[in-house]
Amino acid sequence: GQNIDQPTEMTATEGAIVQINCTYQTSGFNGLFWYQQHAGEAPTFLSYNVLDGLEEKGRFSSFLSRSKGYSYLLLKELQMKDSASYLCAVKDSNYQLIWGAGTKLIIKP
Amino acid sequence: EAQVTQNPRYLITVTGKKLTVTCSQNMNHEYMSWYRQDPGLGLRQIYYSMNVEVTDKGDVPEGYKVSRKEKRNFPLILESPSPNQTSLYFCASSPPRDSGELFFGEGSRLTVL
Repeated sequence: GQNIDQPTEMTATEGAIVQINCTYQTSGFNGLFWYQQHAGEAPTFLSYNVLDGLEEKGRFSSFLSRSKGYSYLLLKELQMKDSASYLCAVKDSNYQLIWGAGTKLIIKP
Repeated sequence: EAQVTQNPRYLITVTGKKLTVTCSQNMNHEYMSWYRQDPGLGLRQIYYSMNVEVTDKGDVPEGYKVSRKEKRNFPLILESPSPNQTSLYFCASSPPRDSGELFFGEGSRLTVL
């Protein structure tokens, strides 16, 4: 079966750095997405990785290793507004998105 | 403004009373999809559509119907709602490219009593 694993919850301090990991086992791979979702709101797109390596976008970076079936989302200079759930999703061989259950990130002052 | 619009945003209904959740996008996207989100389970796809008149079942299609008569609209129909369909529903659309991100509607919170 297809599976995406992420930690259920993480806690970090304002101003610090946090890394949210995602491992996947899917039938084929056509890209990996990270989305941010604040409580009660719709998910919003953060990043897309299809080749190995690091993609940087401001305070957020996303890394992919296809051989290891592994990605991480790195958030720097954490702000209180970064408190949200972070969803990892992989496009499989049929170009369908397989979603992880999400990681709830709690930021403390 | 590019957006996906869902209605209603909130609905409380009773078992067996047919309802439709509408979804409309103004970005000319071919691909549209419906998800439900329940605590601890993440997003689960109900149905998706690759283009007009083309729809396919997702992971949890039981109890739902969809139609895609026009490119912009993708309504979700619950013919006979049951309490286990109480959930937060999201409609989404994306452009036809591999890196095409999903644009989500604001969500529809449905309660079936």
